[in-house]
This record gives sequence, structure tokens and C-alpha cells, in this order.
Amino acid sequence: EPEVTQTPSHQVTQMGQEVILRCVPISNHLYFYWYRQILGQKVEFLVSFYNNEISEKSEIFDDQFSVERPDGSNFTLKIRSTKLEDSAMYFCASSDPYSLTLEKLFFGSGTQLSVL
Amino acid sequence: KQEVTQIPAALSVPEGENLVLNCSFTDSAIYNLQWFRQDPGKGLTSLLLIQSSQREQTSGRLNASLDKSSGRSTLYIAASQPGDSATYLCAVVMNYGGSQGNLIFGKGTKLSVKP
Repeated sequence: EPEVTQTPSHQVTQMGQEVILRCVPISNHLYFYWYRQILGQKVEFLVSFYNNEISEKSEIFDDQFSVERPDGSNFTLKIRSTKLEDSAMYFCASSDPYSLTLEKLFFGSGTQLSVL
Repeated sequence: KQEVTQIPAALSVPEGENLVLNCSFTDSAIYNLQWFRQDPGKGLTSLLLIQSSQREQTSGRLNASLDKSSGRSTLYIAASQPGDSATYLCAVVMNYGGSQGNLIFGKGTKLSVKP
């Protein structure tokens, strides 16, 4: 069964450093998303991406964050200058709203980001 | 602002028992509601998706119901098994024309099924 792949599974960085989290969505999907989950808290929406542009973003997704689809398969989340409070599990997801699965989202297994 | 609440936060049952997980939301103007399963160290797996016009969805031993007007959904698990142990998340998408992937999650119910 096709799946969303995220790399790395764990990332440790120093405060103020830039990090790039990588995702390979399911190949025929058209919508791509990033979510995060701070330990012990709810999963939170960050951004959705369609047709090579951001279609929606949350208040969390400020100027420190950016997303890119650099080629036909990868989808990345960049945090320019990490803060301690950016430590969280980051989930990538994709969907194909024109398929039988409708709006069902398929999630990757996440990247655990630790900012020291 | 939409708030999604799940009760109980944790539940422990013996194997074979039927159980109900509850989800409530404050704003009934939802587009759809999904139930997810989250295993430790793994991603979220979509279990059932209910459109706002639907009342329930079934998949195997799982049945999810939706009462939009009262802001409630339940996930019924029949004949529970130890492999059902996981955290179950409820999430809604609002009906405001935005991205259908902007899910608003509850905090989840951590289910433990004892052999």
C-alpha cells in the first residue's frame, strides 16, 4: 500500500539553526500538508499546499516557516531559525480529493525535532 | 473558535469487550469528521471519515456515528483485541470553504486492551 515517507525520523538541532524536514507524499496525491504535535498536546495544522502554492496556513506558520516542492516527489518544511518551542513531532500528510478516498488524509510517521 | 474534546482521556478494558469513545465539538458547521488511530512512534492512520450529511460509517469492527446538530460523534469498537491498543483521535474540518486538509484535532483517547 502506498505510504507517505518522512526523513529523518529524529532531528536534533541547536537553537537558531535552520532545519529542513523532508517528506515524500503518495505519488498521485495533489494536496500536501504539515502538522505538528508538541509532546502531550493536540495535533495542530500548520499549512496546506496545492498546485505549487500555499492554499492555507495557521497562525503557527509564521515567517520562520516555509514549504517547498523542489521536484516532482519531495515536499519540504524549512524552519529558518529554530526556537526551543519548535521542538515537536512534525507530520507530513497528503490527499487526493478526486479519488474514492475523498478528503481522507494519509500521514507519514513523523520527524521528531528536538531543539537544544 | 472550534474546540474538539474527547472523553475519556484514557480507557482500559479487558479483551473482548465492546467499547465507545466519545468526541464532541463546539461548532456544528463542520464539513466532515474523521477518526484516526495513533500508535507510539508512528503516524496517524485514518480509520473512518464521515461527511457532514452522513450519520455513520462502518469498517469491520469499527462504527462511527455523527450527530452534527448536537456536536457529537462516537466511535464504537466491537469485540476489542489487544491489537486495538492505541490512541484514537477525532478531527473535524470546518465548512468555510478553506482547505479540506485543515483538521482540528481532539487530544485523543488512549485505549489499552488487556489480554
